[in-house]
Parts: sequence; structure tokens; C-alpha cells
Amino acid sequence: DGGITQSPKYLFRKEGQNVTLSCEQNLNHDAMYWYRQDPGQGLRLIYYSQIVNDFQKGDIAEGYSVSREKKESFPLTVTSAQKNPTAFYLCASSLTGRTEAFFGQGTRLTVV
Amino acid sequence: QKEVEQNSGPLSVPEGAIASLNCTYSDRGSQSFFWYRQYSGKSPELIMFIYSNGDKEDGRFTAQLNKASQYVSLLIRDSQPSDSATYLCAVKQAGTALIFGKGTTLSVSS
Repeated sequence: DGGITQSPKYLFRKEGQNVTLSCEQNLNHDAMYWYRQDPGQGLRLIYYSQIVNDFQKGDIAEGYSVSREKKESFPLTVTSAQKNPTAFYLCASSLTGRTEAFFGQGTRLTVV
Repeated sequence: QKEVEQNSGPLSVPEGAIASLNCTYSDRGSQSFFWYRQYSGKSPELIMFIYSNGDKEDGRFTAQLNKASQYVSLLIRDSQPSDSATYLCAVKQAGTALIFGKGTTLSVSS
């Protein structure tokens, strides 16, 4: 089946640790996105990439890093510099242009 | 700063009524407009998209766009309890990412 796969579904991080969230798509989409959602809030853009080996910061990029070495994959690293990382993280992809984005099932990250 | 504004609600309607959800956006360069539905604890799913001024209908859903007023709306006819969810409005320019509002919570009572 075509789609977007995020893993893991739940992730626990200790203070001071870096963690990496996986996002893979087999829709042949050029563009991929990472959003963060806090309780009762909308989606805030962390990073996005329109093409392999290129990406742009969103509104809340501080404390996060990404890579785009393959068209299918767009992993997000939550670094220790991110002071409040507990949130629901959503990966999405789309064709380039003005088209809609489709979402993975999300990763819920909790700091313990 | 590009902004998308929605009334957070909750919007409460009885079963069978019309639910009207509204959204305004600040960036006049926005080219495409989307409505997503999100159930609690789940990821957003696309309901409608609209590119041109006017109305677009799909089953019980109608999206309305007025670019001059920078206004997008979603009408849900014959609302059902299963429509109870948060509805997210999003806007996009080509080559950029979707910008989302904070969402409106809809509650449909049976």
C-alpha cells in the first residue's frame, strides 16, 4: 500500500538525549514536512524539504535537525537543545506545487 | 508572519443540522486552501481542497473561498455524531509548506 510511515508510534526521551523520528513515504512525493502539535493547538511547521539534499526551516526549527538524503526518507532529530520536546510529531508529504499534503500516523514523544 | 485564524470553538450543533466552520488568512499570495479533519489522538485527514473563488461541493461537504476577503469556510450538511472532531484550515503557496490554523472543535449531539 502507498503511504507515509512514521516510527516509532510512541517514544520516550530522557533529559539531555537526542532522539530521531523516522518518516518514510512510497508515494513518490518530492516534498516532505515535519510538524509539531501540542495539546489543543494546531500544527506548527518545524522543517520542510522540496527536493533531495535541500530543506528549509519552519517557524519552530530551533532544537531540531533534519536530513534528506533520499526522496523517500525525511528523519527528524530532536536534540537536547529543544527544551520542551514533549509533543505529537507529524510527518507529511506532497507533490510539489499547490497540492494537498498527506500525513503519517504520528509519533508521540514524551520526556521522562 | 503568515497567519491562519480559526475560532477554536467548541461549535455545537444537533444531529442533522448544518455546521459552518470559518477561517481567515493573512497572506494574499496563498494559492490553495485545505480543510483537514482530526480525531483526538489521530493524524489529520484531508476532507476538501479548493483553489478558485466560489463553492466546491463533495457529498455533505461544501468549501467556500473568497480571496478578496481572504476567507475560507466549510459547511457540513446533515451533521452526524461521527463528524465530531477538530477541523483544521490550511493554506499554501506553491513551493512552500502548508500553514495551519489552530483548529475548530465541532461537537454533533444525537
